[in-house]
Amino acid sequence: KNQVEQSPQSLIILEGKNCTLQCNYTVSPFSNLRWYKQDTGRGPVSLTIMTFSENTKSNGRYTATLDADTKQSSLHITASQLSDSASYICVVSDRGSTLGRLYFGRGTQLTVWP
Amino acid sequence: EADIYQTPRYLVIGTGKKITLECSQTMGHDKMYWYQQDPGMELHLIHYSYGVNSTEKGDLSSESTVSRIRTEHFPLTLESARPSHTSQYLCASSEGLAANTGELFFGEGSRLTVL
Repeated sequence: KNQVEQSPQSLIILEGKNCTLQCNYTVSPFSNLRWYKQDTGRGPVSLTIMTFSENTKSNGRYTATLDADTKQSSLHITASQLSDSASYICVVSDRGSTLGRLYFGRGTQLTVWP
Repeated sequence: EADIYQTPRYLVIGTGKKITLECSQTMGHDKMYWYQQDPGMELHLIHYSYGVNSTEKGDLSSESTVSRIRTEHFPLTLESARPSHTSQYLCASSEGLAANTGELFFGEGSRLTVL
């Protein structure tokens, strides 16, 4: 069964600290993996997208890594800010059909305290 | 900033009412999607469209219906709302197939509460 599991479910850190969020997936055959940021009450916004051949991609203070062999990804946030408080969603897509399909994780709820 | 808009942002209605959630995008995308999201849960695809006059049901069974008469407009309708329909509804669009490397742009969402 194709699944996307994220950990931790929630995380609290102090402003200025770094953190790493995890995503494990069983989706096969793999097409790409994305990380989204979703502020409370808003729609998700794309942070990064990585294909099979990419193992790291950065977007400002956000750095995503991908290990396609172990089917794991991480999102590292550097020097956290209060505005980083949000849910971070891992999304994996397959290429098992012409149209493909997206599999969503439940997200990690990050809270940054001053 | 994504040019995709949803109205209303919040709606509280009584059981049995008919409601339409509006979604419009100005990016000229052929592909549009409706997702349903409950607190702490993953997004579930309920409808999608790959172009004008094309609509398909998604992975999660839904009593809602959609239409795609114009490229930029993808409204979702509930003929008779029930409390079980209470949820957040997210509209999205993409230029290419979302499951490929097509960037997926989301609207701000419509929070529906049925009393």
